[in-house]
Amino acid sequence: GQSLEQPSEVTAVEGAIVQINCTYQTSGFYGLSWYQQHDGGAPTFLSYNALDGLEETGRFSSFLSRSDSYGYLLLQELQMKDSASYFCAVRGGGFKTIFGAGTRLFVKA
Amino acid sequence: DSGVTQTPKHLITATGQRVTLRCSPRSGDLSVYWYQQSLDQGLQFLIQYYNGEERAKGNILERFSAQQFPDLHSELNLSSLELGDSALYFCASSVATQDYGYTFGSGTRLTVV
Repeated sequence: GQSLEQPSEVTAVEGAIVQINCTYQTSGFYGLSWYQQHDGGAPTFLSYNALDGLEETGRFSSFLSRSDSYGYLLLQELQMKDSASYFCAVRGGGFKTIFGAGTRLFVKA
Repeated sequence: DSGVTQTPKHLITATGQRVTLRCSPRSGDLSVYWYQQSLDQGLQFLIQYYNGEERAKGNILERFSAQQFPDLHSELNLSSLELGDSALYFCASSVATQDYGYTFGSGTRLTVV
């Protein structure tokens, strides 16, 4: 089967750096993506990694290690508005894009 | 506004009933995906359509069905509704069949009473 694991909750202080990990187990692999979802809102696409390494987009970076079936989302210079749920997603075999259960990030002042 | 339109935004219905959720993808997008999100849960993949054809199927119940029409809008039909079907139902779209960069609609909140 296919599964993704990520921490359920992370708390960090405004201005700090936080890393949200994601490990996956899929029958095939095309890439790892990340989405942000604020309470009551729709998920919005943040980043995508198809190859090993780090991708940077402003304050957000995403990393992938295909050999370890592992990736992470790095958020720098945390702001209160970053408080949200973050989902990793993988498309494995059968063209199904599966989402993790989400990590709830709490940013404290 | 993401460009993906879902209607209705809210729906309250009784157990045993049937409802239809509608999704219009972003202009130019050929793929439509349906996801179910229960309270404080992740997004469960239901089904994907590409240019009118079913492309992938997730853990979609037999009581649920979907289709994508020639104008690319999609409908998700939920029948014999149970209390456990109460959830947020999201539609997303993408240009092709890629595995990333989906644009999500604002969702339909279904409450079964």
